[in-house]
Amino acid sequence: GAVVSQHPSWVICKSGTSVKIECRSLDFQATTMFWYRQFPKQSLMLMATSNEGSKATYEQGVEKDKFLINHASLTLSTLTVTSAHPEDSSFYICSARESGANQPQHFGDGTRLSIL
Amino acid sequence: SQKIEQNSEALNIQEGKTATLTCNYTNYSPAYLQWYRQDPGRGPVFLLLIRENEKEKRKERLKVTFDTTLKQSLFHITASQPADSATYLCALDMRDYKLSFGAGTTVTVRA
Repeated sequence: GAVVSQHPSWVICKSGTSVKIECRSLDFQATTMFWYRQFPKQSLMLMATSNEGSKATYEQGVEKDKFLINHASLTLSTLTVTSAHPEDSSFYICSARESGANQPQHFGDGTRLSIL
Repeated sequence: SQKIEQNSEALNIQEGKTATLTCNYTNYSPAYLQWYRQDPGRGPVFLLLIRENEKEKRKERLKVTFDTTLKQSLFHITASQPADSATYLCALDMRDYKLSFGAGTTVTVRA
């Protein structure tokens, strides 16, 4: 149980393109999902918290107009990197947690984004 | 602000031995702590969660301890196998269900 699917697994595109990444909880409902960014040999850095039916909350230093988050249902959150540039190239990972106290986060397999 | 340290970047051990990883934290008192495994190019996989009122938790060959006085968690892999080679991350719960991750310890088990 507790499977999170992330799509696509990798994207290569030209500078200026907008890229959408999907995160789905397959066998549970997730009122809260999270988006992380990870650079090589570094740990996960939380970018934003995605809340079903309401606006996402962004961590300090993360541009909300650059990284658009939509959480339209209890099983789907999307991250759109708008007008991507080479410095946006990174490994983006989503997670979802089941409702209830002290529940772990379950992660997708990440999206490798390369902007040329 | 809180700080999380996994005090070994890399750990190399012989197959069959026990690997012990350390996670120390400061300036915070988490309600629980989690351990994840991450393989190259993949997302983290949840292993164990231990609450502040629990001293020890086990799952198959894995054991986690949590000492809130020392502000430390130890993660043990017993009877290690080459398939256990991966990066292991500890994560503290923050407010609003957020997690703050350590930098990870990369374990390599030699056959």
